[in-house]
This record gives sequence, structure tokens and C-alpha cells, in this order.
Amino acid sequence: SQTIHQWPATLVQPVGSPLSLECTVEGTSNPNLYWYRQAAGRGLQLLFYSVGIGQISSEVPQNLSASRPQDRQFILSSKKLLLSDSGFYLCAWSVKGNTIYFGEGSWLTVV
Amino acid sequence: SQQGEEDPQALSIQEGENATMNCSYKTSINNLQWYRQNSGRGLVHLILIRSNEREKHSGRLRVTLDTSKKSSSLLITASRAADTASYFCATDAWDNYGQNFVFGPGTRLSVLP
Repeated sequence: SQTIHQWPATLVQPVGSPLSLECTVEGTSNPNLYWYRQAAGRGLQLLFYSVGIGQISSEVPQNLSASRPQDRQFILSSKKLLLSDSGFYLCAWSVKGNTIYFGEGSWLTVV
Repeated sequence: SQQGEEDPQALSIQEGENATMNCSYKTSINNLQWYRQNSGRGLVHLILIRSNEREKHSGRLRVTLDTSKKSSSLLITASRAADTASYFCATDAWDNYGQNFVFGPGTRLSVLP
């Protein structure tokens, strides 16, 4: 069966520090991969998605970047965090045309 | 603007009552999905309904889809306190790059014991 792992679960980072959130999927090949952000009590905002290795679509201009170095690995990064980057980040995967499945999320607090 | 938008934004009911949440969207879709999110957790998939389907059931859940009105509803029957969560609809969207999913702002359901 397929599983998705996302880490770290929580982190507190100072303004201006770098960020790296990692996500891996097991049990499937060539999935679509997604990064969403959720502000407190709000809906999900699509940040990036990828249909293959090295292929990243950026949905929102921002301080963040994403990379897909391997088929089932998706990384969300920032060189210098802003206060506004705080939020709940969710990694997800899907097989084309079907259900999207989510990881447990990462809480980021920028202080 | 968002593709899917749920209403109401918040709903409070007594245990045993039915809860109905609605979702509207703007463009053509291939499928629509409903998700549940407990506070501070990831989203859990509930049900997927394809554009050529009108109704789908899963346990106490019933989803309808009206493509002519670009709307869907999620009905939870005989609600329980454990159903307290936020519920989101998601529609698939395609661009030149590929497929992604657009979520509405969600409905916060509170089921009171």
C-alpha cells in the first residue's frame, strides 16, 4: 500500500533562517506531488506541484521554492524565512486523474 | 478566486442530526472530492465523485453532484461527536503543465453531544 511521510512535524525558525521540509512517498511510481499551505482556520493554498523529476510548477510567487530530486521525493525550501511564511504545510500525492492523498503536515512558526 | 467554495463556513448541530454542507465551483471538472480534517492534522479523503455521476454513498456519507449548477453537497447522517472536523471539497484543475487540485475554504462542523 502507498504511504506518505512528511517531516519535520513541527519547527520554530527565526526570521532569515533557511527552511527545508521533506516529503517522500512509498508504494507508487511517478506520482504527482504537491505542496500546500494552510493558514490557521483557512483553506489550502497550492504552492507547488510536480508531474515528474525536475518538473515543478509554481502557483504563487513567494519566498519559497520546491525541488524533486527523485521520483518520490519532494522538498520545500527557503533561503530566508519571513514571518509571513508561518503556517501549516501539507505534502500530497496523486496518481494522475484520481484521489489526492495527504501527509500529516508540518507546522512552521517563524519568530 | 478559488475553484471550490463551501457553505456554510461553520455549522453546529446536535448529535444524531444530519449535517449538510455545500460546495460550488466555477469551471468544468473531471471529478470532485470531499475531505475531512481534524484540527492540526492532515486531510483525510472521504469520497470522490466523477463528473458523470450524480450521487454516491459511503457509510453515513452521501454526496451529490449537479454539474449544471456546478455544485455538490455532502450529507452526514446521524452525526456523532467524532464527526466534529473541517470538511473541504476539492476539484481537479488542468493547466498547460498538468493536473492539480483546488480546495475551498472549508466548513467547520461542530457536533454537540
